[in-house]
Amino acid sequence: DVKVTQSSRYLVKRTGEKVFLECVQDMDHENMFWYRQDPGLGLRLIYFSYDVKMKEKGDIPEGYSVSREKKERFSLILESASTNQTSMYLCASSSIDGISGNTIYFGEGSWLTVV
Amino acid sequence: AQKITQTQPGMFVQEKEAVTLDCTYDTSDQSYGLFWYKQPSSGEMIFLIYQGSYDEQNATEGRYSLNFQKARKSANLVISASQLGDSAMYFCAMREDKVTGSARQLTFGSGTQLTVLP
Repeated sequence: DVKVTQSSRYLVKRTGEKVFLECVQDMDHENMFWYRQDPGLGLRLIYFSYDVKMKEKGDIPEGYSVSREKKERFSLILESASTNQTSMYLCASSSIDGISGNTIYFGEGSWLTVV
Repeated sequence: AQKITQTQPGMFVQEKEAVTLDCTYDTSDQSYGLFWYKQPSSGEMIFLIYQGSYDEQNATEGRYSLNFQKARKSANLVISASQLGDSAMYFCAMREDKVTGSARQLTFGSGTQLTVLP
C-alpha cells in the first residue's frame, strides 16, 4: 500500500515561530506536493518538487519555503508563522510516469493553528 | 491556465436517491485528466473516479459515475443510491498530461459539501 505520512496531525504555534511540516512517502515517487486547504477555496498548491533538491512555486508560495534533501521527504517551512497561515495542509506524491488513474496519493493532512 | 469551478457549496440528498455534483473546467490543453475526490471530516482525500480527456466512455466506479461532456467542459459526478456514509466534501480536480516540464499537479475546485439525509 502506498503511504504518504505527515508527521503532525494537529499543531498550535505562536505568531512569529518557525514551523516545519514534514511529509514522507514510501513509494519512491519523484513528485511531491504541498497544498493548503481553506473553506470555500478548495486546495491550493503552495510548492511542488519533481526531484531531490528541485522545487517550483505553486499558486500561493508567499510566506512558505520547502526542502527536499531526500527523495522520500518533502518539508514545508513557515519561516515566521502568521495567523493567516492557520489552515489545513495536505502533502501528496506521484510517480513521474503516471498519466491516468489514481497516481496521486495524499497524506492525512496537518491542521495548523497560529495564535 | 487551468481552472475548476464547482458552483454548489452545499447539497442535500435523501438517502437512497441519486445526486449530481457539478464541475466545469477550463483548459487550453488537449490532453488532461479529470478526478473526483471525497474528503470526510477526518481530512483524508479519497480518490473516487478518473476520466481521461480522450476517453470516449464515461467512467464508472461502483455507485459513482462521471458525466463527461467535453464540448461543454463539464465533468459532473453522479452518485447513485446515496448512503449516509456519502456525507462528505467532494472535490473535482484536473491535471494536465503533458510529459515535458515539471510535475503534473492537480488543480482543485472549491468543493461541494454533500449531506445525505436519513
